[in-house]
Amino acid sequence: NAGVMQNPRHLVRRRGQEARLRCSPMKGHSHVYWYRQLPEEGLKFMVYLQKENIIDESGMPKERFSAEFPKEGPSILRIQQVVRGDSAAYFCASSPQGAIYNEQFFGPGTRLTVL
Amino acid sequence: KNEVEQSPQNLTAQEGEFITINCSYSVGISALHWLQQHPGGGIVSLFMLSSGKKKHGRLIATINIQEKHSSLHITASHPRDSAVYICAVPLTTFGNEKLTFGTGTRLTIIP
Repeated sequence: NAGVMQNPRHLVRRRGQEARLRCSPMKGHSHVYWYRQLPEEGLKFMVYLQKENIIDESGMPKERFSAEFPKEGPSILRIQQVVRGDSAAYFCASSPQGAIYNEQFFGPGTRLTVL
Repeated sequence: KNEVEQSPQNLTAQEGEFITINCSYSVGISALHWLQQHPGGGIVSLFMLSSGKKKHGRLIATINIQEKHSSLHITASHPRDSAVYICAVPLTTFGNEKLTFGTGTRLTIIP
């Protein structure tokens, strides 16, 4: 059973470009969480999704950021018109059910660098 | 005040020492997570516990729900234990869960 997969592992974008980060949860997991870790800072919640539904996006910036978890395929975190402040490590995690009673399994992260 | 606080922020110890990392939280929770972030950046879930104590190898996690406090212990520490250890609690908003993280404890074990 493969773990949580994220790709790409490293992504370099110039200011103004779009960044697409992909997360494939563990088999059988229908809950996906995205977290961001800014340089020298702790992890911060961004968004919580279940298949085809955004459950909680309270941690996601209102503009330029969007997330989806379609019925088929990976979850996508999309950042439009990237700025230097978006440079960070983006982690996704999955669980079979919600976080309260279930361990979250983390992916290896995508390190985004905006030039 | 952060909802999740860890201490110490940095800890350096000699190989073989007994290590304790503390986590206090200010909200009611049903479970607490301990995570390990390797120097390369990957994150591994170590424990999720809601009461009492859990043990896995040389790692022991305890939690006191009434006192809103958890500790992570490492026995017979080894340089490969060097990592950042993070505690996290799920906060619920209208039934939706999201993890709130402590700032982490950077542990360095010297051979």
